[in-house]
Amino acid sequence: KQEVTQIPAALSVPEGENLVLNCSFTDSAIYNLQWFRQDPGKGLTSLLLIQSSQREQTSGRLNASLDKSSGRSTLYIAASQPGDSATYLCAVLSSGTYKYIFGTGTRLKVLA
Amino acid sequence: DTEVTQTPKHLVMGMTNKKSLKCEQHMGHRAMYWYKQKAKKPPELMFVYSYEKLSINESVPSRFSPECPNSSLLNLHLHALQPEDSALYLCASSVTGGPVMNTEAFFGQGTRLTVV
Repeated sequence: KQEVTQIPAALSVPEGENLVLNCSFTDSAIYNLQWFRQDPGKGLTSLLLIQSSQREQTSGRLNASLDKSSGRSTLYIAASQPGDSATYLCAVLSSGTYKYIFGTGTRLKVLA
Repeated sequence: DTEVTQTPKHLVMGMTNKKSLKCEQHMGHRAMYWYKQKAKKPPELMFVYSYEKLSINESVPSRFSPECPNSSLLNLHLHALQPEDSALYLCASSVTGGPVMNTEAFFGQGTRLTVV
């Protein structure tokens, strides 16, 4: 059974810092991994999608990497801003299923 | 248009009520999903529809009844719910699940359900 874990669970940093969020999954047989942002009480906004054959994806200040063999992904946020404050979730789509399995999330607070 | 629209945004219902949640997308996606999210927890999969047919039911109680009347619409019918069913209900869609390259999932803003 696929299990997805994110560390740290919570993170508080001053504005301008570069930071790394981690996502680990137990079954490397995945089609893709997706990073989402969720503001309090709101839906999920897709940030980056990495296909299983890819190593990384970039969008603006965000860079996500994938090491499928070790079951890990990282989300790198450059020059963090208070507007980046939110919960960040990773989700994996396991091979042979329609199931997106979510990680436990990282609650990020960027202080002005 | 990469939008998944959910209505209503908020819903308060009694334990004897019958209500429905609605989800709509016009991206031509053929897979649609219902997720349930409790406070400070990750979303948990409830149902998956593929090509308007139910393909996954994650052992959800029968008081939740999904329906996919066409490729753009997904409903969740609610009946005799319990207070512990209060949560954020999220709808999502993707081109299709399975061995297709572009399986990015798009989520709606959710319906905040309170059962009293």
